Amino acid sequence: AQSVTQPDIHITVSEGASLELRCNYSYGATPYLFWYVQSPGQGLQLLLKYFSGDTLVQGIKGFEAEFKRSQSSFNLRKPSVHWSDAAEYFCAVGSPLNAGKSTFGDGTTLTVKP
Amino acid sequence: DAGITQSPRHKVTETGTPVTLRCHQTENHRYMYWYRQDPGHGLRLIHYSYGVKDTDKGEVSDGYSVSRSKTEDFLLTLESATSSQTSVYFCAISESPGGELFFGEGSRLTVL
Repeated sequence: AQSVTQPDIHITVSEGASLELRCNYSYGATPYLFWYVQSPGQGLQLLLKYFSGDTLVQGIKGFEAEFKRSQSSFNLRKPSVHWSDAAEYFCAVGSPLNAGKSTFGDGTTLTVKP
Repeated sequence: DAGITQSPRHKVTETGTPVTLRCHQTENHRYMYWYRQDPGHGLRLIHYSYGVKDTDKGEVSDGYSVSRSKTEDFLLTLESATSSQTSVYFCAISESPGGELFFGEGSRLTVL
């Protein structure tokens, strides 16, 4: 069975500081990996995705993530955080098999200090 | 933005009453999903559909049923609502299995 762990429930960073959100997954083959962002009262929006190929993927809003198979990780990074990045972030693992059901982590809430 | 509409967006109901949530898409995507979101639990899959009249259970399907009679509509029914089903429900669609999910804006259900 596939699963996702986001070890950090809540992270606070200062505006302009760098950010790294951790994600570890469990899956028997090469997974499809995603990061989604959710602003308060909104649905989820895709930040970036990894299917295959280059293990460093670029997303929207200046975010990037690196797939490390040896560590079963897909950490999200941003070099300089903006106040508008405050939101909840979800890592997800999917598969083209089994109707493509995606499994989500519990989420990490990001607070940005001025 | 993907054309996904959920209705109702907010609903308050009483224990034991039936509730139906509707997800309507204009993207003609084959795959549709219902998730619930609760604090500390992320999103958990309730039911999903891989085509008209083709549905299956997710990880938290007890107490829920679904129907998909048309490509564009995916209905989630709580036959007899309980307080444990108070949650925010999200519909999502995908063009391909395992691909990017597009989410609706959510339906907040409160069961008193």
